[in-house]
Amino acid sequence: QVQLVQSGAEVKKSGASVEVSCKASGYTFTTSPIHWVRQAPGQGLEWMGIINPSDGSTRYAQNLQGRVIMISDSSTSTVYMELSSLTSEDTAVYYCARDAPGITPWGQGTLVTVSS
Amino acid sequence: QSVLTQPPSASGTPGQRVTIPCSGSRSNIGTNTVNWYQQLPGTAPKLLIYSSNQRPSGVPDRFSGSKSGTSASLAISGLQSEDEADYYCAAWDNSLNGRVVFGGGTKVTV
Repeated sequence: QVQLVQSGAEVKKSGASVEVSCKASGYTFTTSPIHWVRQAPGQGLEWMGIINPSDGSTRYAQNLQGRVIMISDSSTSTVYMELSSLTSEDTAVYYCARDAPGITPWGQGTLVTVSS
Repeated sequence: QSVLTQPPSASGTPGQRVTIPCSGSRSNIGTNTVNWYQQLPGTAPKLLIYSSNQRPSGVPDRFSGSKSGTSASLAISGLQSEDEADYYCAAWDNSLNGRVVFGGGTKVTV
């Protein structure tokens, strides 16, 4: 079955960067773009961007431009999301999810905590 | 402030029908289809409805979606206790070079 497995929780200092990985299985990796969505504690869902593993093209949310980078590695069927210049407002659960009709399935989520 | 507008809460008793509205604009719901997600406490979101009114395999037919103009809605009929969750609408938005926009979420209490 299609599955996305993310890396483990991270604790970072303000100003640092974090990288979250998302390993896909159960389908041909290059056939479906991958979204990144985050959810701050007690808040709703915020779309961060999308990467197309077939050609590495990306589209980022305007409010994250310049701080987020998404890359894909077809040899390991893994996408990576790096977020830099972290502040406390970046504390959230970060999800990767496949673009199908709709966004599905979702990874299990990675909690990123930013402390001062 | 979310681009798509949903009420923060909705409630019903077991067996009732609950409807969750989602309001957008021409650049999102007015032009593109709507997807709905269910998020049970402490879990990742799950796709409930795609292309405005299609159910993925395994989603009970108690859940249905519709779209008209710049608004959409999710209906849950025969409400069950396990339906208590947060529900989010989402759509592609053609502004700002294209992006996915979400509603703020509706907490359904049974």
